[in-house]
Amino acid sequence: AQSVAQPEDQVNVAEGNPLTVKCTYSVSGNPYLFWYVQYPNRGLQFLLKYITGDNLVKGSYGFEAEFNKSQTSFHLKKPSALVSDSALYFCAVNYGGSQGNLIFGKGTKLSVKP
Amino acid sequence: DTAVSQTPKYLVTQMGNDKSIKCEQNLGHDTMYWYKQDSKKFLKIMFSYNNKELIINETVPNRFSPKSPDKAHLNLHINSLELGDSAVYFCASSPLRGGHPDTQYFGPGTRLTVL
Repeated sequence: AQSVAQPEDQVNVAEGNPLTVKCTYSVSGNPYLFWYVQYPNRGLQFLLKYITGDNLVKGSYGFEAEFNKSQTSFHLKKPSALVSDSALYFCAVNYGGSQGNLIFGKGTKLSVKP
Repeated sequence: DTAVSQTPKYLVTQMGNDKSIKCEQNLGHDTMYWYKQDSKKFLKIMFSYNNKELIINETVPNRFSPKSPDKAHLNLHINSLELGDSAVYFCASSPLRGGHPDTQYFGPGTRLTVL
């Protein structure tokens, strides 16, 4: 069965420090992996994706993620966190088929303190 | 310039009523989706639809039905609303690139409260 795990409910980081939000996946075949961010009372905004190619993917707002096939991981990273990065982050995997339905992780709340 | 829009933003109604949520995308995308986000922020696919195929998540009650008058719209109809239907409902759309589904873009959500 296809699944996505985000092992941390919350990640706390001081402003200016690097941040990592973890994601592991289980999918048959080649995964399409995504990161989305949700600010309070807002919809989901696309950050970045991995389809194929370079394992290091760069996205919006200075975020990047590294696809690691052997560890089945797709961790989200940023070298220097901002208070405005505080939000709920979702990892998702496309479980295939022509419709591209996404399975989402449970979400990780990122809190960046000044 | 709104890419994916939903109306209404908030919907408060009584148990047993029938309601609809509208979704429109102006991105020219091929596929549209409905997701449900529960009180714990967990997101789950309800439907996906293009002009050829409707895929229904088997856990979705048949009180929920998508209606697509054209490629740019996918409305969600809910009959006989129940307390447990209270949630935020998100519409999304995505293009097909090279035969594969690409990035999904989400609407702002509709917060449904059933009293």
